[in-house]
Amino acid sequence: AQTVTQSQPEMSVQEAETVTLSCTYDTSESDYYLFWYKQPPSRQMILVIRQEAYKQQNATENRFSVNFQKAAKSFSLKISDSQLGDAAMYFCAYCRKTSYDKVIFGPGTSLSVIP
Amino acid sequence: DTEVTQTPKHLVMGMTNKKSLKCEQHMGHRAMYWYKQKAKKPPELMFVYSYEKLSINESVPSRFSPECPNSSLLNLHLHALQPEDSALYLCASSQGVGREITGELFFGEGSRLTVL
Repeated sequence: AQTVTQSQPEMSVQEAETVTLSCTYDTSESDYYLFWYKQPPSRQMILVIRQEAYKQQNATENRFSVNFQKAAKSFSLKISDSQLGDAAMYFCAYCRKTSYDKVIFGPGTSLSVIP
Repeated sequence: DTEVTQTPKHLVMGMTNKKSLKCEQHMGHRAMYWYKQKAKKPPELMFVYSYEKLSINESVPSRFSPECPNSSLLNLHLHALQPEDSALYLCASSQGVGREITGELFFGEGSRLTVL
């Protein structure tokens, strides 16, 4: 069975600094998606970044980038120039390409941004 | 702006009440989902509708009854709930069509349910 692990329940970062959130996963599949979702205190969860497993290039979205290590089954999220609005729960997630409707979420990391 | 709309935002009900949660999306997505989320926990999948047919039921108690009247609407009917069912109920949608599948879920803001 596939699992997603986030070993940091809580993290904090100084405004304008850089922080990295960790995620590891376990799967025997070779083709899948990985995601980072953000859920601010207002509750709506939104996609931050998505990575396709067969793409070796790490995905980047503005201040957000990932370090995807397929062999190590690691998928960390780096937030650069942290802003107050980045404070949220961050969930790492996985789904098989053939089973897009079964997304597996990690337990989450609560990120605080210190002004 | 959220493109998945859920109503009501808050609901308080007794254990003998019958109520419904509603969800609507107009993105042309063909897969819709109900998730249950407890505080500081990840969402737990409850039901998936694909092309308006129930495709996944994650062994959810029968006091939760989903309905998909059309491709844009999703309901969750609630009856004889227990206090432990109090949670945030999230609706989501995804494209779910062939090569357009990206796996991305689009979430609503959720309905906060309290069962007394």
